[in-house]
Amino acid sequence: DIQMTQSPSSLSASVGDRVTITCQASQDISNYLNWYQQKPGKAPKLLIYDASNLETGVPSRFSGSGSGTDFTFTISSLQPEDIATYYCQQGFTFGPGTKVDIK
Amino acid sequence: QVQLQESGPGLVKPSGTLSLTCAVSGGSISSSNWWSWIRQPPGKGLEWIGEIYHSGSTNYNPSLKSRVTISVDKSKNQFSLKLSSVTAADTAVYYCARTLVVGLGSRFDYWGQGTLVTVSS
Repeated sequence: DIQMTQSPSSLSASVGDRVTITCQASQDISNYLNWYQQKPGKAPKLLIYDASNLETGVPSRFSGSGSGTDFTFTISSLQPEDIATYYCQQGFTFGPGTKVDIK
Repeated sequence: QVQLQESGPGLVKPSGTLSLTCAVSGGSISSSNWWSWIRQPPGKGLEWIGEIYHSGSTNYNPSLKSRVTISVDKSKNQFSLKLSSVTAADTAVYYCARTLVVGLGSRFDYWGQGTLVTVSS
């Protein structure tokens, strides 16, 4: 089974900061990596698919990159509404999540 | 716009069977997509439970396979989850989602709002 790890598990940043989250797969998954945002009490929302493609309607401050085993998710300028937990996903496996707060 | 809505009892007794239904609207369950159940224990991460195609083909999480049954009712445009022999560890928010498969990749692009199921006597 493919295992997914994420780091950090949580972070605090200021409004306007650049935020970066990493996700690592236990084996080569090509670019088959997706990113979700989950706000408290809500269902996850797909933001990025196939490592770097922005889902329709998602703000351009969100981006993703990577291939193989190492992937990065970036918020270029953190906004108050971005407070959430972010998950990477490949196939049937989700990463453990990264909780993002405002400093 | 595809919409999914979970329904079912919010409280299940230990050793009993959890039963949920996901109603799909704004699209046909017979489209070329898989349909998944995903759960999230309170304060924890996401766990994929299993999926079904409109033909009735299923895939299950190996860790739950012995207790899970997912079925589809095309006439009602819905699919269902049954999880047997539940314990407190099965307490979670249960989500249904559409699994979009493109090539070798898959993603969950539409989700229900989720329903909390508590296992308690």
